[in-house]
Amino acid sequence: GAGVSQSPRYKVTKRGQDVALRCDPISGHVSLYWYRQALGQGPEFLTYFNYEAQQDKSGLPNDRFSAERPEGSISTLTIQRTEQRDSAMYRCASSLATGVETQYFGPGTRLLVL
Amino acid sequence: GQNIDQPTEMTATEGAIVQINCTYQTSGFNGLFWYQQHAGEAPTFLSYNVLDGLEEKGRFSSFLSRSKGYSYLLLKELQMKDSASYLCAVSTSGNTPLVFGKGTRLSVIA
Repeated sequence: GAGVSQSPRYKVTKRGQDVALRCDPISGHVSLYWYRQALGQGPEFLTYFNYEAQQDKSGLPNDRFSAERPEGSISTLTIQRTEQRDSAMYRCASSLATGVETQYFGPGTRLLVL
Repeated sequence: GQNIDQPTEMTATEGAIVQINCTYQTSGFNGLFWYQQHAGEAPTFLSYNVLDGLEEKGRFSSFLSRSKGYSYLLLKELQMKDSASYLCAVSTSGNTPLVFGKGTRLSVIA
């Protein structure tokens, strides 16, 4: 595609429900990153993949958060048993290859947990 | 730990020049990025510095001093559309996630 896409763009859920956030990176991009961005803050790292392999998940807040990228393209970030503190903008970014490559960001998913 | 500092807010006049500073202390360094983020939108790439010195790209320039752990973004001939947050981000090694500062919210006034 032309750019990184994410869906849904907005998600309102009730506390305790599970949510799945999807990221579709730029075609051919090897690396895919998940960040969380609070209002007025910079993005904070959650996890990232090279191809289908999860390289680092040290930024995931707790074990309710998980991510996968089974075929090395689309990725899903899943939050189980959501809590109000999970409310945030979740951003995905992708980059072309290994090495220091520019990361291109998607529009984000705004999650609101009631 | 990783620490990236930049001013929270700045205001400048249309047509003027503004310099946004960023200092960093990170466990490694493999390049520094500047991103622009308009309210409600995704960050968009502006510049990348890995060597000391000034990189110029149209109205925007970015400077890096690795020995000082310091960078700045220079915006010339400011336009109202330049009102946005500017994010400084460091790559600490290879193909790894970026470490972002909190961003500087720039307001351009007439």
